[in-house]
Amino acid sequence: QSALTQPRSVSGSPGQSVTISCTGTSSDVGDYNYVSWYQQHPGKAPKLMIYDVKQRPSGVPDRFSASKSGITASLTISGLQAEDEADYYCCSYAGSSTYVFGTGTEVTVL
Amino acid sequence: EVQLVESGGDWVQPGGSLRLSCGASGFTFSNHAMTWVRRPPGKGLEWVSSISGDGSGTYYADSVKGRFTISRDNSRNTLYLQMNSLRDDDTAVYFCARRSPPGTYYFDYWGQGTLVTVSS
Repeated sequence: QSALTQPRSVSGSPGQSVTISCTGTSSDVGDYNYVSWYQQHPGKAPKLMIYDVKQRPSGVPDRFSASKSGITASLTISGLQAEDEADYYCCSYAGSSTYVFGTGTEVTVL
Repeated sequence: EVQLVESGGDWVQPGGSLRLSCGASGFTFSNHAMTWVRRPPGKGLEWVSSISGDGSGTYYADSVKGRFTISRDNSRNTLYLQMNSLRDDDTAVYFCARRSPPGTYYFDYWGQGTLVTVSS
């Protein structure tokens, strides 16, 4: 149950795009198409942004997109906005009703 | 409107015990598996434990197995986490989350969290 690996931080100017990677193993990310992404602002509850690798819940802007290849999933934020500044976590189903989260990435809007 | 409200967080000494609660409303509680996730200070989210909708299946992270017990009371729409033999590294904000409908594997609603501090 080792945490998925994410970059500690990424940054971009308003309007730019940033991509966050999430690297797991063949037992989690590589084995299931059940990767989800969560946004967390300081002191707030996490918010679901992406599920099932690339599906967006209603209400999440289409600036957020995601994909997966092998053992690495990715979240891209296009047209970066000030309110996107937050921590982002990937999460993968790991079988037998267990889950593993990523180490988290701090997104900074310059 | 779906709402999840955690309570029970407190300061406790190492080796002590604490029980967290999560009250749910706005949905049919028994239809959803529920989960506890924690975030230690300065660290990332960590899946702690999950329980099936009817309570028959319980699952734990290795870091808490044998010390924590997840349970639910569907008549009271409440999720619990009994934490025993607490350690310093259990210090965290604990969130309860609703797992999406059966056959899916993500958490669509979260509570605001409750702080557990383990320290002497």
